[in-house]
Parts: sequence; C-alpha cells; structure tokens
Amino acid sequence: AQSVAQPEDQVNVAEGNPLTVKCTYSVSGNPYLFWYVQYPNRGLQFLLKYITGDNLVKGSYGFEAEFNKSQTSFHLKKPSALVSDSALYFCAVRDINNAGNMLTFGGGTRLMVKP
Amino acid sequence: DTAVSQTPKYLVTQMGNDKSIKCEQNLGHDTMYWYKQDSKKFLKIMFSYNNKELIINETVPNRFSPKSPDKAHLNLHINSLELGDSAVYFCASSPQTRRTPNYGYTFGSGTRLTVV
Repeated sequence: AQSVAQPEDQVNVAEGNPLTVKCTYSVSGNPYLFWYVQYPNRGLQFLLKYITGDNLVKGSYGFEAEFNKSQTSFHLKKPSALVSDSALYFCAVRDINNAGNMLTFGGGTRLMVKP
Repeated sequence: DTAVSQTPKYLVTQMGNDKSIKCEQNLGHDTMYWYKQDSKKFLKIMFSYNNKELIINETVPNRFSPKSPDKAHLNLHINSLELGDSAVYFCASSPQTRRTPNYGYTFGSGTRLTVV
C-alpha cells in the first residue's frame, strides 16, 4: 500500500521569506512523487515531479522540491514567497509497482503568504 | 482549448434526485478518473477507467456509477442523492501509465455538488 502524509494543515509565511511545505510518503517500491497546487474554486495544477536522477527538482512558479530517500520525504520549497502563492498544496505518490496506476494524495496543506 | 472539461460547474439538487456530471478530455489520454474532495479538502479516488474498462473501483456506494461512452469521456451518474454526497467532484486523465508511469494527472476544474 502507498500513502502520503502532509503533517501541517496550514503554513503561514511572510512575503519574501522562504517557504517549506512538508511531505512524507510510504511505498513498497520506488516512488514517483508529485506536487500539485489548487487555487480557490479551481482544479489541481501540476507543479513538479520526481521520477529519478537529481534529488532536487525544479518546477513551475519558482518552486522546487527535494527528494530524500532515507527520510522518505519530498518537501516543497521556494526561496522567496509571494502573496499569490497562497493556495492549497497537495503532495502525491505513485508506487512504480502499483498495478492500478493510482496516485495517492496527501491531505493538503494550506499556504498563507502575508504581505 | 480546455484539456479536461467538466459540466456543470455547480449543481444544486434535492435529496433523492438522480444527477449526472460529464467529463471530457482532449489530450488523447487512455485513463480517466473521478475524485471526490470533501469539506476538509481531502481527495479520495472514486473510479478509474482505462480504455472503457473499470480498473479501480474504490469502496463507494453503488449509487455512484461511472459511464464511459468512449476514451475521451467519463461521466459520473449518482442515484438517490444524499446530503453526504455534497462535495466537489474532480475528473482527471493521464496517459496509459504502464508505459508512461512518470506522468501525473491533468485535472478538470471541478463540479461543486450541493444536496439540499
């Protein structure tokens, strides 16, 4: 079975400060990891993914995420937050051995960036 | 052009009614999904269709039934609606992932269902 945990319901950060949204995962094999963002009244939008290779992956809107296999984590980061980054963020995992191709999502973390 | 489109965007209906939500994708993807997002924003997979075959059917009530007339469409039918069905329903699609497991999903913008 595969699972994802986002331990923080909400993260508050001041504009211009660095931000981190945490994600840990559990899979039986090698993971494919994804981050999605959901703005109010919108669907989920793809931000970035880790498949293989460099542990630091860069995505849309200046976001990046670091894959840490020993800690089974895939935290989302941005060096300087913008008010427009305020949204709901979802981490997701797919086990490479998952026959159903199902993406399992975490519970989401609301990011609030204050001016 | 919208990649994954859902209609309607909002749906308000009374308990006991039967309703449908439509989903269409123009990406040429092989697999389509329905997710339910509850009031706490938790996303739960409901169904997955691959080339007209149901390949995942999570433990949802049998009042919910997916219908896929072709590879580009996956509609969601709900019979005898209950108050607890109120949620946002998202459609998504992806390529055939046994060949391309590194692809994520493309989501529709959601349908907010309110049962009164």
